[in-house]
Amino acid sequence: DAGVIQSPRHEVTEMGQEVTLRCKPISGHNSLFWYRQTMMRGLELLIYFNNNVPIDDSGMPEDRFSAKMPNASFSTLKIQPSEPRDSAVYFCASSGDRGTNEKLFFGSGTQLSVL
Amino acid sequence: GESVGLHLPTLSVQEGDNSIINCAYSNSASDYFIWYKQESGKGPQFIIDIRSNMDKRQGQRVTVLLNKTVKHLSLQIAATQPGDSAVYFCAETSGGSYIPTFGRGTSLIVHP
Repeated sequence: DAGVIQSPRHEVTEMGQEVTLRCKPISGHNSLFWYRQTMMRGLELLIYFNNNVPIDDSGMPEDRFSAKMPNASFSTLKIQPSEPRDSAVYFCASSGDRGTNEKLFFGSGTQLSVL
Repeated sequence: GESVGLHLPTLSVQEGDNSIINCAYSNSASDYFIWYKQESGKGPQFIIDIRSNMDKRQGQRVTVLLNKTVKHLSLQIAATQPGDSAVYFCAETSGGSYIPTFGRGTSLIVHP
């Protein structure tokens, strides 16, 4: 199993540009999480999907952020327009059903720098 | 609100020593606890977990202790190695929630 796959690993963009981060969860997992990590705030949950449906998006900072999960094997997190304060490492994680596998498996993250 | 926190932001130890990383939680309904290890440039990785009906669980060189009375969780690493240098996070979930709450993390530095 290749684990959770995220792309790109690094993204450098200019303020105002659109940024799209991608994630492929572990096959068979039905929960997917997007987290943002910064030194100041630590790991923040942005959005949680279960069976491709957004269940909790209360962590999404503002309307500039959007996330989709069109199928069980792919999710995107989009920032439009991007701002310097969005610079962070963005992690995608997946897990199985509660009661069988509650631990999260994280991808390697996308390091986003907005200039 | 309810939160998960850590007592020590940085822990420095010598190679071969035992390490203890502590975590306090405030949600008395928390019933599942996990420790993650995050190495530089990588995502957090699962180390060990424990449910609230247990007070101790052992893995390979790691032991997690849970004290529900004082809402305290600890991770013990035996014979710490340089490869153990990382940031360690505790996380908890409470009944019915699929979403873990993460603490801020403790940086473990192992000196050879």
